[in-house]
Amino acid sequence: DIQMTQSPSTLSASVGDRVTITCRASQSISSWLAWYQQKPGKAPKLLIYKASSLESGVPSRFSGSGSGTEFTLTISSLQPDDFATYYCQQYNSYWWTFGQGTKVEIK
Amino acid sequence: QVQLQESGPGLVKPSETLSLTCTVSGGSISSYYWSWIRQPAGKGLEWIGRIYTSGSTNYNPSLKSRVTMSVDTSKNQFSLKLSSVTAADTAVYYCASGYSGYGNWGQGTLVTVSS
Repeated sequence: DIQMTQSPSTLSASVGDRVTITCRASQSISSWLAWYQQKPGKAPKLLIYKASSLESGVPSRFSGSGSGTEFTLTISSLQPDDFATYYCQQYNSYWWTFGQGTKVEIK
Repeated sequence: QVQLQESGPGLVKPSETLSLTCTVSGGSISSYYWSWIRQPAGKGLEWIGRIYTSGSTNYNPSLKSRVTMSVDTSKNQFSLKLSSVTAADTAVYYCASGYSGYGNWGQGTLVTVSS
């Protein structure tokens, strides 16, 4: 199966900061990667699909890039509502897998 | 916008079978793929599997021997059965769907495995 590794596991940042989260796949997944935001007690919310396509209604400060085995999620200017946990997910193989998550905390 | 709602027992005894249903509203179950994902308290997301309306399934290899998914297009529902449960299966279970990534999620239902 394809392993997804996110880094860092925890990130401390301030409002207004540019934030980057990395997701690496154990083998090539082309561009079949999604990013999600999850807040405590809530279901995940899709932010980015197909590595770089912004889901409808998601603020443009969120962007995704990459292909093959290395991907990034960037928040251009962190807002108070963005403090949450972020997950990547590959949907290239017959069975799909999530990264372990990156928690974005207030610095 | 498709809406999903999980239902089923919140408490299951060890060695028994966990059964959950996801009801789809606001759209046809004949579109998308339909999945189950779980999340133990304080931990990350674990993909359980997916089913297409054709009945074709793909399961997480680590759970494959215990998982069965089915779909009932007449009721706009799909279901999960997980057999021989242990305390390690205690988690919030989500149903989800989408075309590319999961754009639709249920609110999640907590299932506790305990005697």
